[in-house]
Amino acid sequence: GQNIDQPTEMTATEGAIVQINCTYQTSGFNGLFWYQQHAGEAPTFLSYNVLDGLEEKGRFSSFLSRSKGYSYLLLKELQMKDSASYLCAVNQGGKLIFGQGTELSVKP
Amino acid sequence: DVKVTQSSRYLVKRTGEKVFLECVQDMDHENMFWYRQDPGLGLRLIYFSYDVKMKEKGDIPEGYSVSREKKERFSLILESASTNQTSMYLCASSGGGDNYEQYFGPGTRLTVT
Repeated sequence: GQNIDQPTEMTATEGAIVQINCTYQTSGFNGLFWYQQHAGEAPTFLSYNVLDGLEEKGRFSSFLSRSKGYSYLLLKELQMKDSASYLCAVNQGGKLIFGQGTELSVKP
Repeated sequence: DVKVTQSSRYLVKRTGEKVFLECVQDMDHENMFWYRQDPGLGLRLIYFSYDVKMKEKGDIPEGYSVSREKKERFSLILESASTNQTSMYLCASSGGGDNYEQYFGPGTRLTVT
């Protein structure tokens, strides 16, 4: 079967660093996406990892280990506007399988 | 800038009604998708289409059908709405080939009473 796991909720402090983990067991794998979704809005693209390793993009970085079925999203220098849901999704040849999402609350 | 639009942000329908949700994208994308999003369950794929007139079932197609008569437009149809179809419906599109990134519309919050 298909299984993608993320923590349901996380809380962090403004200015801090937070790591959101995602583990997956899927029948196919072409890459892994991270999306950000603010309440009441559409998901927006953050990152896409195909190969193992860390990809850095400003305050956000994403890591992938295909052998471990594991990814994380790292957010640095947290800002209040980073409060949102973060969605992990496995790409299966263009079809995305999503995890349930992690609701991140950033406190002052 | 990719734009995906959905016909309504909020919709209230009665049980048994036929419901049409429309989605239009303006980037000549090959692929289009319909998801529903429910608390604790994440986004679940209902149907998708890789080309005009083509459709494929996703993970939860029961109670839904789709239509893709033109490349830019993908419609989701609830033949006879039921209360368990109350949800947020999101449409997405992607370019095809190795371009897998999906661009999402703003969503339609459907309430069936």
